[in-house]
Amino acid sequence: DTAVSQTPKYLVTQMGNDKSIKCEQNLGHDTMYWYKQDSKKFLKIMFSYNNKELIINETVPNRFSPKSPDKAHLNLHINSLELGDSAVYFCASSQAGPSEQYFGPGTRLTVT
Amino acid sequence: AQKITQTQPGMFVQEKEAVTLDCTYDTSDPSYGLFWYKQPSSGEMIFLIYQGSYDQQNATEGRYSLNFQKARKSANLVISASQLGDSAMYFCAFERGNTGFQKLVFGTGTRLLVSP
Repeated sequence: DTAVSQTPKYLVTQMGNDKSIKCEQNLGHDTMYWYKQDSKKFLKIMFSYNNKELIINETVPNRFSPKSPDKAHLNLHINSLELGDSAVYFCASSQAGPSEQYFGPGTRLTVT
Repeated sequence: AQKITQTQPGMFVQEKEAVTLDCTYDTSDPSYGLFWYKQPSSGEMIFLIYQGSYDQQNATEGRYSLNFQKARKSANLVISASQLGDSAMYFCAFERGNTGFQKLVFGTGTRLLVSP
């Protein structure tokens, strides 16, 4: 059973397009996250949701809009894609409090 | 803002040897947590070990142990009896405690290569 799943795994698109990445966790966790890993492997948090409410928004451009229809899902929609958006996007989930975050397999987004 | 530093961009070790991956952090918070994650070439992020700032003993998980030196603000990962499958990127991450919700701040990572 996959704990945290993301679709799609690969996404190639042109500049200016709008795309979405979906994330689902079956661990019963209350908190979900989106991270961006750039070409130098640096990982940075983008958003965090707890029980469908946004709790962390790390100065991400407005073109990025997370949506949590329920606490098991956290989707990421990106408008007007730019070359600099090319990266690997990871979804993660955790229980509240100090516990490990479980990461999805990542979505490699390539903007041409 | 919290800062995590991994000064070793790359490390080499022979199979069956032990290796230490360095991690230092900068915080004035009394309560925090430190995590290590492994990222193999396949790309997934795998949780390895966790150390809380108030934990009295160093964390251990199988071949992984964390050399936690609070006064020096270091949380080095020690991998004993290295295996070829340990070749991967390793990330140290910091989380402020008592916030109710996690926000992991990652270091830049260390690429470990294990040779036969």
